[in-house]
Amino acid sequence: QKEVEQDPGPLSVPEGAIVSLNCTYSNSAFQYFMWYRQYSRKGPELLMYTYSSGNKEDGRFTAQVDKSSKYISLFIRDSQPSDSATYLCAMGQGAQKLVFGQGTRLTINP
Amino acid sequence: GAVVSQHPSRVICKSGTSVKIECRSLDFQATTMFWYRQFPKQSLMLMATSNEGSKATYEQGVEKDKFLINHASLTLSTLTVTSAHPEDSSFYICSARTDSVINTIYFGEGSWLTVV
Repeated sequence: QKEVEQDPGPLSVPEGAIVSLNCTYSNSAFQYFMWYRQYSRKGPELLMYTYSSGNKEDGRFTAQVDKSSKYISLFIRDSQPSDSATYLCAMGQGAQKLVFGQGTRLTINP
Repeated sequence: GAVVSQHPSRVICKSGTSVKIECRSLDFQATTMFWYRQFPKQSLMLMATSNEGSKATYEQGVEKDKFLINHASLTLSTLTVTSAHPEDSSFYICSARTDSVINTIYFGEGSWLTVV
């Protein structure tokens, strides 16, 4: 079993829809959780960073962490074609290296 | 947010030559940097962890003599692909971890290497 599981998609939704992206993990020691967005042929860009269970909102993006279920989510409201990218979840503990999900390819159709 | 600069963004080299890729943290110090390789439509594959002032830690299966990593300062790590071959053609990405209580990792823009 992988430490972090993420459905690779592809996921295709119409513009304006709410998008839900998810990851599950097996290591209960993970302390911090991140979401990155990667456009084609570019390096990943940090979108959200959370430490604790609960929700964190930034504009149209909401990151949700449920440590009891070992489940994290990223919600995108009012999705735009410019949101089309691959979204990577990542998590870590202390100073150890990040563990990444496989990435979900998302397409927002105009 | 913090900025990580990677250079060159694209490089084409002849088979058998060596290529150096630089990764710089522009507005923060990074004791630890990471080097990844990414194939098309696949996730990031960690190659090695680069620690300032000490030897890099390579992941299993990564040839340390082929992928030389030097982390000479708190803001610069370099990856040298030695005696490059066409199969080394790939997208190489570095990331840097902030030296702060809250560890945050930022990525460079990546470097496309094509070996002909």
